[in-house]
Amino acid sequence: EDQVTQSPEALRLQEGESSSLNCSYTVSGLRGLFWYRQDPGKGPEFLFTLYSAGEEKEKERLKATLTKKESFLHITAPKPEDSATYLCAVQADTGNQFYFGTGTSLTVIP
Amino acid sequence: DSGVTQTPKHLITATGQRVTLRCSPRSGDLSVYWYQQSLDQGLQFLIQYYNGEERAKGNILERFSAQQFPDLHSELNLSSLELGDSALYFCASSVGQRPYEQYFGPGTRLTVT
Repeated sequence: EDQVTQSPEALRLQEGESSSLNCSYTVSGLRGLFWYRQDPGKGPEFLFTLYSAGEEKEKERLKATLTKKESFLHITAPKPEDSATYLCAVQADTGNQFYFGTGTSLTVIP
Repeated sequence: DSGVTQTPKHLITATGQRVTLRCSPRSGDLSVYWYQQSLDQGLQFLIQYYNGEERAKGNILERFSAQQFPDLHSELNLSSLELGDSALYFCASSVGQRPYEQYFGPGTRLTVT
């Protein structure tokens, strides 16, 4: 069964304390893995798309990496404005379906 | 602002009723995606249209239907509404068939009483 699991569910960091969020997936064939940021009551905001194992992408304090079974979103020296829920999703080859994880709620304390 | 617009913002209706949610994609985007987000189930993919044709189907109930019109806006129709249909409904758009970058609208909050 295709599925996406994110961990931890919630993460509290001090400002400047780097950490990583995990997204593990099982899918019959991976078309792409996506990271989004979602603020309360708003639509998800696109961050990254990764297509193949070994791929890495960076944007400001965020870096996403991909292996054959999981993806990591590394947050370096986070700031309070990085507080949000981070969602991971995969698109499967079969039927082009999307599967979202339940997200990691990140709180960065000043 | 992602450039994707959704109307209405909020909708309150009774069980058994039918509603239509509307989405206008970003200028130039040909794909439209619909998602349902509820507290207990997270974000669920419903359906994708590309240039007026259905491209992918997720966990969309038979009571729900969607279409994309020639001007590329899309509508999601929900009928015989149940309490469990209360959720945030998001529309997203992307340039091509493949979701290289999906841009989400602000959502429509549906409350079924």
